[in-house]
Amino acid sequence: NAGVTQTPKFQVLKTGQSMTLQCAQDMNHEYMSWYRQDPGMGLRLIHYSVGAGITDQGEVPNGYNVSRSTTEDFPLRLLSAAPSQTSVYFCASRSYVFYEQYFGPGTRLTVT
Amino acid sequence: QKEVEQDPGPLSVPEGAIVSLNCTYSNSAFQYFMWYRQYSRKGPELLMYTYSSGNKEDGRFTAQVDKSSKYISLFIRDSQPSDSATYLCAMSAIYGGSQGNLIFGKGTKLSVKP
Repeated sequence: NAGVTQTPKFQVLKTGQSMTLQCAQDMNHEYMSWYRQDPGMGLRLIHYSVGAGITDQGEVPNGYNVSRSTTEDFPLRLLSAAPSQTSVYFCASRSYVFYEQYFGPGTRLTVT
Repeated sequence: QKEVEQDPGPLSVPEGAIVSLNCTYSNSAFQYFMWYRQYSRKGPELLMYTYSSGNKEDGRFTAQVDKSSKYISLFIRDSQPSDSATYLCAMSAIYGGSQGNLIFGKGTKLSVKP
């Protein structure tokens, strides 16, 4: 039981490049979410999904896209990377009934 | 006013001390309260989880929720150097626009000195 997995662990992008951060969970959780963590800002919600085919925006959605085609996977796409998107990104999941969220190990992204 | 306020510290204590970590909040709809521990360069790890008011104990850790004061606490007894980490409080509403989403405090960095 791997829990929540994220790839890659580290990534360096140039301004304007696009990429997809992968997230997968094997706990059959309906709810998945993406956060970014910046020094002094805490964890901020980017996008979330309550089930396959359903996504919604969080607190800081601009510059990011998501889709949810399966229960297990919830990728986060950066369309045109900007230095302001330099951050650590965490994916999390929980069941629809219980509110405890479980986090992945994170992706450390640098945009130059 | 931020929805969740948490003193960022840093907090430094000697080994064996009792540690008290706190958060205040403003949203009366919050019903689920959690504490996460985050080691450097790792993902947040769920430590304690409580629903509504009251206390919950797990080993050396005790979580308290006082909804009348909108105040939650995490106590660590007999603190160990391995407890050195950043502790994040988080809470969730059961109704309203942000229902089900976790709102985090900014975290308190704790260092336990041998």
